[in-house]
Amino acid sequence: DTAVSQTPKYLVTQMGNDKSIKCEQNLGHDTMYWYKQDSKKFLKIMFSYNNKELIINETVPNRFSPKSPDKAHLNLHINSLELGDSAVYFCASSHSGLISNEQFFGPGTRLTVL
Amino acid sequence: GESVGLHLPTLSVQEGDNSIINCAYSNSASDYFIWYKQESGKGPQFIIDIRSNMDKRQGQRVTVLLNKTVKHLSLQIAATQPGDSAVYFCAERPRTSGTYKYIFGTGTRLKVLA
Repeated sequence: DTAVSQTPKYLVTQMGNDKSIKCEQNLGHDTMYWYKQDSKKFLKIMFSYNNKELIINETVPNRFSPKSPDKAHLNLHINSLELGDSAVYFCASSHSGLISNEQFFGPGTRLTVL
Repeated sequence: GESVGLHLPTLSVQEGDNSIINCAYSNSASDYFIWYKQESGKGPQFIIDIRSNMDKRQGQRVTVLLNKTVKHLSLQIAATQPGDSAVYFCAERPRTSGTYKYIFGTGTRLKVLA
């Protein structure tokens, strides 16, 4: 009965490779997000999708391409991986249109680029 | 604002004492604030929220105070327990972003000493 799930939990890959991270939520939320957390724990939003439409793109390199096939899924594809992409990536979801819209986070995917 | 090369601040408290974690937010137009707790190896978890038309909100063992004049938030944890050990983040939502964007603070690590 996991609310927000991500796969894989760990991802180790070589520079230059292409990889994907998947995210699913079963909360019935209409908004999903991707965040990047660096080694100093700084958490920064990358993308936000509402009803499968891109709402926020925080000047993320175009090597990162999110895809939302439906409201319950938001996948992140990364091309030509670089060392600086190593981080923990968190997916989150929320319900828009509410005064208070708490975000529920997934467990994270730790990406290590060698 | 964005953290640049800062070490994560750490607050050490004795078990049973009260903890106060502080946060300075950046945008005077932010209308909603959340405190998150992140345990090791997990995603951030909602603790308590507050809207900008309030200056105090209480939950179970936690209280959030908002001072809009100086753009300051604090999280007070009563009778701190070992399970409270985690990294704590404040997050603000700029009104102009709708319900889709949150800006996270740099985080504070809370260590509870037995």
